[in-house]
Amino acid sequence: EPEVTQTPSHQVTQMGQEVILRCVPISNHLYFYWYRQILGQKVEFLVSFYNNEISEKSEIFDDQFSVERPDGSNFTLKIRSTKLEDSAMYFCASSVQGAPYEQYFGPGTRLTVT
Amino acid sequence: AQRVTQPEKLLSVFKGAPVELKCNYSYSGSPELFWYVQYSRQRLQLLLRHISRESIKGFTADLNKGETSFHLKKPFAQEEDSAMYYCALVTNTGNQFYFGTGTSLTVIP
Repeated sequence: EPEVTQTPSHQVTQMGQEVILRCVPISNHLYFYWYRQILGQKVEFLVSFYNNEISEKSEIFDDQFSVERPDGSNFTLKIRSTKLEDSAMYFCASSVQGAPYEQYFGPGTRLTVT
Repeated sequence: AQRVTQPEKLLSVFKGAPVELKCNYSYSGSPELFWYVQYSRQRLQLLLRHISRESIKGFTADLNKGETSFHLKKPFAQEEDSAMYYCALVTNTGNQFYFGTGTSLTVIP
């Protein structure tokens, strides 16, 4: 069964550094998402992406964040200048259509900012 | 604003006992409600959604619009049901899922 994959599984970075989290969505899916989960807190929506543009974003997704689909398979989340509070689990998800269709989640990337 | 509340962070039941994981929501429109499950060291995966009205792994959930609830129930808990359960809501105007804080279910053998 096809799955969403994410790399790396764990990323450690210093405050102020740029970080890129990578995701490969399921191949026939058209909608892509990033969520994050700070330790002990709920999963929070960051951004959705469709047809090569952002379709929706939350207040968390400020100018420090950007997303890109650089080729036909990868979907990336870039954090320009990481802060300590960016430390979290970042989940990528994809769906064949928009809500309310099921979103398939990747295993997550644990980002630790020191 | 839309919100999903799962009042229990931790829930323990004995094997074979009934289990109910509570979920309440607030949203002024017509929401779509889901339950996602995360087994140990695995990814979030869909357990069930209210629009399909199906039973997965013996779990059911009924949307009660009067009480704004979508509680997850299973009549006889199994050890393999031990996991983290998240209730989620999607509005009728967007694509983002709003998650609750999750309930960690432990089924005691």
